[in-house]
Amino acid sequence: KNEVEQSPQNLTAQEGEFITINCSYSVGISALHWLQQHPGGGIVSLFMLSSGKKKHGRLIATINIQEKHSSLHITASHPRDSAVYICAASLTGTASKLTFGTGTRLQVTL
Amino acid sequence: GAGVSQSPRYKVAKRGQDVALRCDPISGHVSLFWYQQALGQGPEFLTYFQNEAQLDKSGLPSDRFFAERPEGSVSTLKIQRTQQEDSAVYLCASSLRQGTSTDTQYFGPGTRLTVL
Repeated sequence: KNEVEQSPQNLTAQEGEFITINCSYSVGISALHWLQQHPGGGIVSLFMLSSGKKKHGRLIATINIQEKHSSLHITASHPRDSAVYICAASLTGTASKLTFGTGTRLQVTL
Repeated sequence: GAGVSQSPRYKVAKRGQDVALRCDPISGHVSLFWYQQALGQGPEFLTYFQNEAQLDKSGLPSDRFFAERPEGSVSTLKIQRTQQEDSAVYLCASSLRQGTSTDTQYFGPGTRLTVL
């Protein structure tokens, strides 16, 4: 069993829809990261959370430490949001290396 | 300011060849990470440098993999006697401070290695 798991693996939405991607982890963490990866491109850090909620534009990330669960929400989705979204954890005691989920491939259509 | 750069972007090697992948981190960044991303999978940790010191190499899959960062800036990941299972995208990331889990990691575009 992976220490960091994401769902769904693939997600198709129509423009304007509200999107939720889920991430659960089974071990202690010091921080949870949400990353975006475009096809053929590099990875961009979206959020880093250790508690609560963060918002940037149409993106919202939340984390529930007790339940070991985080969610990434996209409001008013747009085709340019199409990408792979990856959650990654800094596991307790592992300095700053990241343990990644397998990613959620999001496609937003017109 | 330049981000993290990697070269080459694409590398095709015949099985058994040695390859060297280069990472130029953001200037002044103390921490440097190498990750391996197989097709359709999330990245997996390979190794971590703090300046020139290799503090964690627990993710290197075999002794064919070797990484160095001799002057605490540019890093090279070397793979000897490449095998088909080494085919993947190799990602480099850097962060400003040392060993801080809440630091943002800045990723390079990756090198896609294909071993035939």
